[in-house]
Amino acid sequence: LAKTTQPISMDSYEGQEVNITCSHNNIATNDYITWYQQFPSQGPRFIIQGYKTKVTNEVASLFIPADRKSSTLSLPRVSLSDTAVYYCLVGDGPFGYSSASKIIFGSGTRLSIRP
Amino acid sequence: DARVTQTPRHKVTEMGQEVTMRCQPILGHNTVFWYRQTMMQGLELLAYFRNRAPLDDSGMPKDRFSAEMPDATLATLKIQPSEPRDSAVYFCASGLLGTPKGNTEAFFGQGTRLTVV
Repeated sequence: LAKTTQPISMDSYEGQEVNITCSHNNIATNDYITWYQQFPSQGPRFIIQGYKTKVTNEVASLFIPADRKSSTLSLPRVSLSDTAVYYCLVGDGPFGYSSASKIIFGSGTRLSIRP
Repeated sequence: DARVTQTPRHKVTEMGQEVTMRCQPILGHNTVFWYRQTMMQGLELLAYFRNRAPLDDSGMPKDRFSAEMPDATLATLKIQPSEPRDSAVYFCASGLLGTPKGNTEAFFGQGTRLTVV
């Protein structure tokens, strides 16, 4: 499983766009990039997943450059409720088939949103 | 609304006692994970099962921890004897992984907050 590196913490203000970048220099050809969000006292929950270029859903956008060695999670117009830890993961994607598929979390980025 | 259910939500026990945590995965999911979360270590994968068979439990202290899936609707994590350093939040998650149909994300339960005094 490719190792990921992301900032330990970030601060921003309500209404701002927040971009969290994750480095994954050893990403494999078949790997997907997945982001999870964890609120205090809750389990992590899936936010978004992508393979290349750009993916957007109702929660966030994920930008992946052509070399795929990094990715950026973009949260538009954050609110106080976006305060959470965000995890970047690299591994088997939705169409992967591995008998040993598992999900490993790194340290995550603690995002704090201020009024 | 399918969800992963963990019991108990909170557990306080004395050192040396046995602790059993239970998890009901989402129906139809073939993979069940056990994670432990602490401030110092973050989210650690302890063990996971595929179709009820243990695939990897290398993250678990073998001398005191054991994980089982007696049936498809129940996964258990047992600590015997418990120690203060086991105090943490234990999460169970389930998903559909490693099949020709592809992989879903992991769906997490609310966790069991364990305090060993």
